[in-house]
Amino acid sequence: SQTIHQWPATLVQPVGSPLSLECTVEGTSNPNLYWYRQAAGRGLQLLFYSVGIGQISSEVPQNLSASRPQDRQFILSSKKLLLSDSGFYLCAWSVPLQTGMNTEAFFGQGTRLTVV
Amino acid sequence: AQSVTQLGSHVSVSEGALVLLRCNYSSSVPPYLFWYVQYPNQGLQLLLKYTSAATLVKGINGFEAEFKKSETSFHLTKPSAHMSDAAEYFCAVSDRWVGANNLFFGTGTRLTVIP
Repeated sequence: SQTIHQWPATLVQPVGSPLSLECTVEGTSNPNLYWYRQAAGRGLQLLFYSVGIGQISSEVPQNLSASRPQDRQFILSSKKLLLSDSGFYLCAWSVPLQTGMNTEAFFGQGTRLTVV
Repeated sequence: AQSVTQLGSHVSVSEGALVLLRCNYSSSVPPYLFWYVQYPNQGLQLLLKYTSAATLVKGINGFEAEFKKSETSFHLTKPSAHMSDAAEYFCAVSDRWVGANNLFFGTGTRLTVIP
């Protein structure tokens, strides 16, 4: 069965420090991968998605970047965190449409990031 | 472009009462529609999905939703609320025709169950 791992679960970082959140998926190949952010009292905002290794699409201009060095690994990074980067970050994966299979996204447990 | 609107950011119901969470969508193509539930400090769990089969979709934990094309709605219901249903619920729509099936989420509805 497929599983998704996301870490760390919580993180407190000072303003101006770097960030690296990692997400890995097991049990599937060539998934679509996503990073979402959920700010307090707000819905989910899609930050990045990837349809393959090295292929990253950014949905909103921001202080963050994403990379996909391996098929089932998705990394969210920042060189210098801002206070506004605080939030709950969720990694997700889905099966590509071309397979004709289900299209729902499966989510990790999230990372609570607090920038102080 | 796809989008969803969830009416009511907070809904309170008594234990045993009907749960109704509203979702209206906008899509230029036949959509896939989803309801997710999120418990505090956890990821999202899929409750149910509509993918152009039966318009009445049954999900986990006794929830169901009905796709109504004429009303562009996909409201979530449960006949009798349980304390364990207290959580945040998200409606989402997917554009099945793009290469990467982005999910567009509503802003969520927080359900409170009153004992």
